Amino acid sequence: GENVEQHPSTLSVQEGDNSIINCAYSNSASDYFIWYKQESGKGPQFIIDIRSNMDKRQGQRVTVLLNKTVKHLSLQIAATQPGDSAVYFCAENGAISNFGNEKLTFGTGTRLTIIP
Amino acid sequence: DARVTQTPRDKVTEMGQEVTMRCQPILGHNTVFWYRQTMMQGLELLAYFRNRAPLDDSGMPKDRFSAEMPDATLATLKIQPSEPRDSAVYFCASGFGTSGTPTGNEQFFGPGTRLTVL
Repeated sequence: GENVEQHPSTLSVQEGDNSIINCAYSNSASDYFIWYKQESGKGPQFIIDIRSNMDKRQGQRVTVLLNKTVKHLSLQIAATQPGDSAVYFCAENGAISNFGNEKLTFGTGTRLTIIP
Repeated sequence: DARVTQTPRDKVTEMGQEVTMRCQPILGHNTVFWYRQTMMQGLELLAYFRNRAPLDDSGMPKDRFSAEMPDATLATLKIQPSEPRDSAVYFCASGFGTSGTPTGNEQFFGPGTRLTVL
């Protein structure tokens, strides 16, 4: 089945530095990718998404890069803050159902710790 | 501020008991997902609905789990009988989509129900 590998599994970054989290996916038909942030005791929250017709998308302090050739997705967080400490998940709509590509396959998560 | 709500937030029960978890999706969303999150398996999709009709429940143990949408504002996930291995955080998420569309869309997650089966 579809597979999403995420790395690193843990990441510690000094406050103010940048962080990068990576995902590798296996399904060349995937055309929608999304990053979630999950804080302790809460559900995943949307950060940013990107569709396959783009290779870069930027939000506030976050950038997602998509390389369809090598099936690689990354999330960059600039000027990290203590509030960025959380678990981050990538997801892609690689599981094709009879009803369309609504099903998201999630990566295994990256625990990001910002060191003050 | 529209958000998905889930009840209860925490549930502790004994093996063999029935557990019912409830979810209120965001008004206007037509797709509801149930996920289970554990340390070992991560986030797993159990089932999802479009316009209240079940589309896919292949991720759900059929013998003990059931999911329904009695109306557009309520989704339920039941486990009967519950077992210790069902201990996990169960998330409901909602979104908007059209069957047959070739692409996915954002899913909005609720706060989850932490289930502990003793």
